[in-house]
Amino acid sequence: DAGVIQSPRHEVTEMGQEVTLRCKPISGHDYLFWYRQTMMRGLELLIYFNNNVPIDDSGMPEDRFSAKMPNASFSTLKIQPSEPRDSAVYFCASSLGGVLGEKLFFGSGTQLSVL
Amino acid sequence: AQSVTQPDIHITVSEGASLELRCNYSYGATPYLFWYVQSPGQGLQLLLKYFSGDTLVQGIKGFEAEFKRSQSSFNLRKPSVHWSDAAEYFCAGANSNSGYALNFGKGTSLLVTP
Repeated sequence: DAGVIQSPRHEVTEMGQEVTLRCKPISGHDYLFWYRQTMMRGLELLIYFNNNVPIDDSGMPEDRFSAKMPNASFSTLKIQPSEPRDSAVYFCASSLGGVLGEKLFFGSGTQLSVL
Repeated sequence: AQSVTQPDIHITVSEGASLELRCNYSYGATPYLFWYVQSPGQGLQLLLKYFSGDTLVQGIKGFEAEFKRSQSSFNLRKPSVHWSDAAEYFCAGANSNSGYALNFGKGTSLLVTP
């Protein structure tokens, strides 16, 4: 298996633009997590899905952020409109059985820069 | 609030020396605790985890961690550090009250000197 695949690897955009981050979890995994990493706040859980259903989105910073998982093999995190303070590394992770099951497998992240 | 805290932002050790990275947790119910390592430009990799049972947990790459309820700690140790261990280390925790969502500490950056 290729692991968790995120795209793009790097994204540079201007303030106000829409940004879409993509994630392909490991086949067969039933949990998918989106994390954001910054120097100031560390790793923050934004949202997670179980069997394509959002379970907890309390970490989503505001309405500008939305996440979807239309099927078991694909998820998106969208920011519209983007702001400079959204600049961070966004990680997607998947697992079988959640955090208490198999370990979380992380993608390599998307480095987002909003100018 | 339920959380994990890593008191040390940076740690420097000499190659071959022993290592201990600190992690303190604050959970009302029994926590599930983890250590992850992140190499530059990469995602996180699980080193070890503690759910219950033996309080000394063995992980990959020669790492171990000890769960100490009396001290609310889950410190990571390695008897002899290699240059390739230089990375960012994250302690993380979860429990039923948090909906099993994994909360990460802010990380400890390990520098290994020759």
